[in-house]
Amino acid sequence: DAKTTQPNSMESNEEEPVHLPCNHSTISGTDYIHWYRQLPSQGPEYVIHGLTSNVNNRMASLAIAEDRKSSTLILHRATLRDAAVYYCILRDSGTYKYIFGTGTRLKVLA
Amino acid sequence: GAVVSQHPSWVICKSGTSVKIECRSLDFQATTMFWYRQFPKQSLMLMATSNEGSKATYEQGVEKDKFLINHASLTLSTLTVTSAHPEDSSFYICSAREGRERTDTQYFGPGTRLTVL
Repeated sequence: DAKTTQPNSMESNEEEPVHLPCNHSTISGTDYIHWYRQLPSQGPEYVIHGLTSNVNNRMASLAIAEDRKSSTLILHRATLRDAAVYYCILRDSGTYKYIFGTGTRLKVLA
Repeated sequence: GAVVSQHPSWVICKSGTSVKIECRSLDFQATTMFWYRQFPKQSLMLMATSNEGSKATYEQGVEKDKFLINHASLTLSTLTVTSAHPEDSSFYICSAREGRERTDTQYFGPGTRLTVL
């Protein structure tokens, strides 16, 4: 199973953009990159996913490197409600399994 | 978005008893459901993959006789922790995938906190 590497924690000021990096150097050509976030004592919440091209939705943007060995989740204006653990996950194209890494704990400062 | 529910949200049981946790996809049919467990301050660990109408596939190191999974319908999967012990205390989370498209994602339930005394 391909693995992801993320910083353990990051801080951001409220109303400022946040760039959360993820390395996935062993990604295969058909693995999708998914991002979820998890608040304490809750299940993960879907944020965004992509394969090769950059993606945007109402929650965030996903920038994928040309070689697909890394990606960046971009929160355009962090709010206090964005404080969570963010997981970058590679979805196995055959089994559809998610293998969670350690995630990045994002702290948003008021 | 798609909604997945779990019941109960928390349960406390005595050592040696069995506990059943339900996972339901409320507004879609889930061809595949997944079960995870999460210890405090740790990430989610995949326990098993469950396809409707077939036997679950367990991850290495997960005892299939201890964690019984049933996926009898396209909207319901159950996880039964048999002969629970304190070390089974954890946060159990299910997810469901609709399976109509290659790009579709998993939607997670809110989790069930199990405490074994």
